[in-house]
Amino acid sequence: RKEVEQDPGPFNVPEGATVAFNCTYSNSASQSFFWYRQDCRKEPKLLMSVYSSGNEDGRFTAQLNRASQYISLLIRDSKLSDSATYLCVVNTFPGGGNKLTFGTGTQLKVEL
Amino acid sequence: DAGVIQSPRHEVTEMGQEVTLRCKPISGHDYLFWYRQTMMRGLELLIYFNNNVPIDDSGMPEDRFSAKMPNASFSTLKIQPSEPRDSAVYFCASTATGDLNIQYFGAGTRLSVL
Repeated sequence: RKEVEQDPGPFNVPEGATVAFNCTYSNSASQSFFWYRQDCRKEPKLLMSVYSSGNEDGRFTAQLNRASQYISLLIRDSKLSDSATYLCVVNTFPGGGNKLTFGTGTQLKVEL
Repeated sequence: DAGVIQSPRHEVTEMGQEVTLRCKPISGHDYLFWYRQTMMRGLELLIYFNNNVPIDDSGMPEDRFSAKMPNASFSTLKIQPSEPRDSAVYFCASTATGDLNIQYFGAGTRLSVL
């Protein structure tokens, strides 16, 4: 089983739609969780951290369920510019040091 | 700050040749990471350094791969001899103690081994 699993997609949605991505992780000792965004042929960049209480940044909402080892990202009112691959990222510490484990990503395509 | 700088951006080589990828981390960052990204396996950590010392190289696929960090502003990843299955995008990332969960990536080197 992969340490971080995501549905690869692609998710094709119309502009203005709400879309949700899910991610599961296998190591219950994982301490920190993130979503990174990667545009086509570009490098990954941090989108947002994920906290147990859930957190929101504009149109983006991230949630964590430690009991189920499940992370989600919700995008409301999607824009064409949201088209990208979204990477679920987990840091397992201690023991994992400062290593981030990346999921293979979920591709989002927002269409007119 | 210019960010993490990688060179070359693209590399095309023939099987058996030596390939050297270069990385300059963000000034002041004390952690440096090398990753490889393929469609099949996603982003995989190869090795990381702290204060120029290799900490974990368990992700290095085999002896053909080696990495060095001779000083705080420069690192290399070398493949010798290269094979077609090494074709991938290689990313370098850096971060600083106190901000460990945010890694800043370079633009990557797209390697094609023919």
